[in-house]
Amino acid sequence: GENVEQHPSTLSVQEGDSAVIKCTYSDSASNYFPWYKQELGKRPQLIIDIRSNVGEKKDQRIAVTLNKTAKHFSLHITETQPEDSAVYFCAAGTSGGYNKLIFGAGTRLAVHP
Amino acid sequence: GAGVSQSPSNKVTEKGKDVELRCDPISGHTALYWYRQSLGQGLEFLIYFQGNSAPDKSGLPSDRFSAERTGGSVSTLTIQRTQQEDSAVYLCASRGQGDTGELFFGEGSRLTVL
Repeated sequence: GENVEQHPSTLSVQEGDSAVIKCTYSDSASNYFPWYKQELGKRPQLIIDIRSNVGEKKDQRIAVTLNKTAKHFSLHITETQPEDSAVYFCAAGTSGGYNKLIFGAGTRLAVHP
Repeated sequence: GAGVSQSPSNKVTEKGKDVELRCDPISGHTALYWYRQSLGQGLEFLIYFQGNSAPDKSGLPSDRFSAERTGGSVSTLTIQRTQQEDSAVYLCASRGQGDTGELFFGEGSRLTVL
């Protein structure tokens, strides 16, 4: 089955710096890679996703990149703000139909003013 | 409803007792998932429903865990003879039809086994 590894487990940055979180997956059949943000005491919420037919996707200060050959995908947050502080989870699965998402262990991001 | 609803939000039980956790997905969502989140840990997949059937139960940790879904809507996760290691937040999520992959999570049920 699918296995998702996520690094780092914790990340501390100064406000305005960039943050990068990396994930690897094992199942070459996976074609859908979402990222979820979980603020303290809240439910996880989707912030961005990418499908295997593209290599990069951007949404304002957030971007995701995907390297299917290497089975790597990454989340990039630019100009970080204190409200970006949260736990971020990557996941891998197949889109449409049966979509079993396997999540990484999470990265706790702290943005210091 | 407007979102995924889970109950109870908090449950404290004694070791060896059975517990039932309920999930009410977004109306019309056919796919329903249960995940477990232990303190400070990631989201561990437990089970997935498409309609009333469960094509993937591979994540259930032991035969003490079971889940059902009736009427293609509400789902119940049952843990029998609870153990302290069952203490965690149990998250339910639902997904609509079509190619969108977004899961909508509930607030979770925090289970504490004493």
